[in-house]
Amino acid sequence: DMQMTQSPSSLSASVGDRVTITCQASQDIGDYLNWYQQKPGKAPKLLIYGASNLETGVPSRFSGSGSGTDFTFTISSLQPEDIATYYCQQYDYLSQFGPGTTVDIK
Amino acid sequence: QLQLQESGPGLVRPSETLSITCNVSGSSIDSGGYYWGWIRQPPGKGLEWIGSVYFSGRTYYNSSLKSRVTISVDTSKNQLSLKLTSVTAADTAVYYCARERPPYCGGDCYPDYWGQGTLISVSS
Repeated sequence: DMQMTQSPSSLSASVGDRVTITCQASQDIGDYLNWYQQKPGKAPKLLIYGASNLETGVPSRFSGSGSGTDFTFTISSLQPEDIATYYCQQYDYLSQFGPGTTVDIK
Repeated sequence: QLQLQESGPGLVRPSETLSITCNVSGSSIDSGGYYWGWIRQPPGKGLEWIGSVYFSGRTYYNSSLKSRVTISVDTSKNQLSLKLTSVTAADTAVYYCARERPPYCGGDCYPDYWGQGTLISVSS
């Protein structure tokens, strides 16, 4: 069975900080990896698709990289509106989400 | 503009069948080659993909739920539906419907447009 892990599970950072989240798949998924942002009480929002492609309308401070089993999501300069939970999602073997990373302001 | 709106009973008794519909507006469910899916989120927990359907009736399901889930489409109403049988408290969640892309993705899809979600509680 495919397993998706994310680290850290939560983090606190200051406005303007660079924030990095990692996602690991238990099997090679190529670049079939997305990143979603979810704010409380809202549906998830697609930010990055195909590991590194920025969804239309998403600020350029968000980026993704990686392939195979190891992936990274970066916010280059954390903004107050980025407070949310971030999920990776693989779509190579049907679909599965990672456990999420909660980002807070220090 | 594409919009999805879930509607459900709110409360379901244990062992009964959960039924939710998703009304799609702004696009025809049988055009563009898209799959349409369901994702759920228990309170305070993460996201779980349930399954997806093509307008032809082709479906893909999460193996952990496959024995209890049926996803279908009604093109005349531009709706998709979810049925989950023999529910327990563990099925309490916000249920989201979503469009999945890219077109003709089969089992290699991901949600891009989401509904707002509907909370379904399982309790006696």
